[in-house]
Amino acid sequence: DTGVSQDPRHKITKRGQNVTFRCDPISEHNRLYWYRQTLGQGPEFLTYFQNEAQLEKSRLLSDRFSAERPKGSFSTLEIQRTEQGDSAMYLCASSYNNQPQHFGDGTRLSIL
Amino acid sequence: AQTVTQSQPEMSVQEAETVTLSCTYDTSESDYYLFWYKQPPSRQMILVIRQEAYKQQNATENRFSVNFQKAAKSFSLKISDSQLGDAAMYFCACIQGAQKLVFGQGTRLTINP
Repeated sequence: DTGVSQDPRHKITKRGQNVTFRCDPISEHNRLYWYRQTLGQGPEFLTYFQNEAQLEKSRLLSDRFSAERPKGSFSTLEIQRTEQGDSAMYLCASSYNNQPQHFGDGTRLSIL
Repeated sequence: AQTVTQSQPEMSVQEAETVTLSCTYDTSESDYYLFWYKQPPSRQMILVIRQEAYKQQNATENRFSVNFQKAAKSFSLKISDSQLGDAAMYFCACIQGAQKLVFGQGTRLTINP
């Protein structure tokens, strides 16, 4: 069990640029989740996959956000035309069915 | 909609003492799970303890235990014999249905040596 891996750990970009984050879940986990956490707050749900199917998206996930999990393994989260308000920690978690979710270290996004 | 509320933004305790972190929640479902997660500074979220709503017995995990009051929708975490390594943000969370976690705002726990 190597844990949930996220890449990169930190991303600094200029407003208006596109960014993409990657999450590698624990290998036998069929569910994968993305959350966003701003400073001093609890994580907020963004979207969730069961295998390769994206089953739920939060209203927080605007049209500028897209997530994929093409082969039911790793997932990517892309933000287009980044805005100041996108600055946050993006957390990925995975689980096997209804078992507890295991979290990665997160990707911290800073928008200049 | 589910909501989770942690009314204590910060708590502190002397090393080796006991501390209780509060959490209340609201859900319309009868089948759900409650969790406490720990997030040390710049480190990943770690599961501390889990409680199934259908179980009356309070969950216990070594020095960590919960007081689950289903009727009051209260789910507090007790940490006994506090250690320096317990210092972290603690998040209460609820999960139901589509299995997305709903988190509270967090409580920052400081351990005084």
